Amino acid sequence: DVVMTQSPLSLPVTLGQPASISCRSSHSLEHGDENTYLTWFQQRPGQSPRRLIYKVSIRDSGVPGRFSGSGSGTDFTLKISRVEAEDLAIYYCMQATHLPNTFGQGTKLEIK
Amino acid sequence: QVQLVQSGAEVKKPGASVKVSCRASGFRFSNFGISWVRQSPGHGLEWMGWISAYNGNTYYAQKFKGRVAMTTDTSTSTAYLEVRSLRSDDTAFYYCARDTAAGTTWALQDYWGQGTPVTVSS
Repeated sequence: DVVMTQSPLSLPVTLGQPASISCRSSHSLEHGDENTYLTWFQQRPGQSPRRLIYKVSIRDSGVPGRFSGSGSGTDFTLKISRVEAEDLAIYYCMQATHLPNTFGQGTKLEIK
Repeated sequence: QVQLVQSGAEVKKPGASVKVSCRASGFRFSNFGISWVRQSPGHGLEWMGWISAYNGNTYYAQKFKGRVAMTTDTSTSTAYLEVRSLRSDDTAFYYCARDTAAGTTWALQDYWGQGTPVTVSS
């Protein structure tokens, strides 16, 4: 199975400051159909995961513009330009290029 | 609006089976598939597999083959996950998520159910 490694696992942030989460895969996530199936989810306490970004950089409807995704191959990043209180959550990356789909361990965004 | 509503909490003994349901509304169920994902402290998020509501095709992650069964009832827009021979490490939240109806990648997961906690304990 493809191993997804996130860093850091805990990210203390100051509200209003930027934040960045890394996700690395053990195999390239470029699919033969030329898509890269790398998704970011946000999970707030007591809630289900919510899809934020898919195919590396496409933001879901309703997701604030301060969230952005980038990367290629095996190296991906989720950035929040200015963290707000509602962003405090655990963030997961997931790959769906290779079966089975696999998730990163999660990065907990918390107040510094 | 799109909704996936799952059945309630379950407590089972080791060796028993559990069946979790996921009722869809707000979209044409047969145009999509359902992925099942579980979340436990020990294993994080694990994708268990997928079923097409269009034609009933399934794909099970190797880890779960032989012990899980995914089915759908298009007349009620409901997907089901059955897990057999339960062990203590099957204790987890089980989620359904909307996915694509066909293909060889299942990368949609744009809407999720609220989760069903399953506890396996003697």
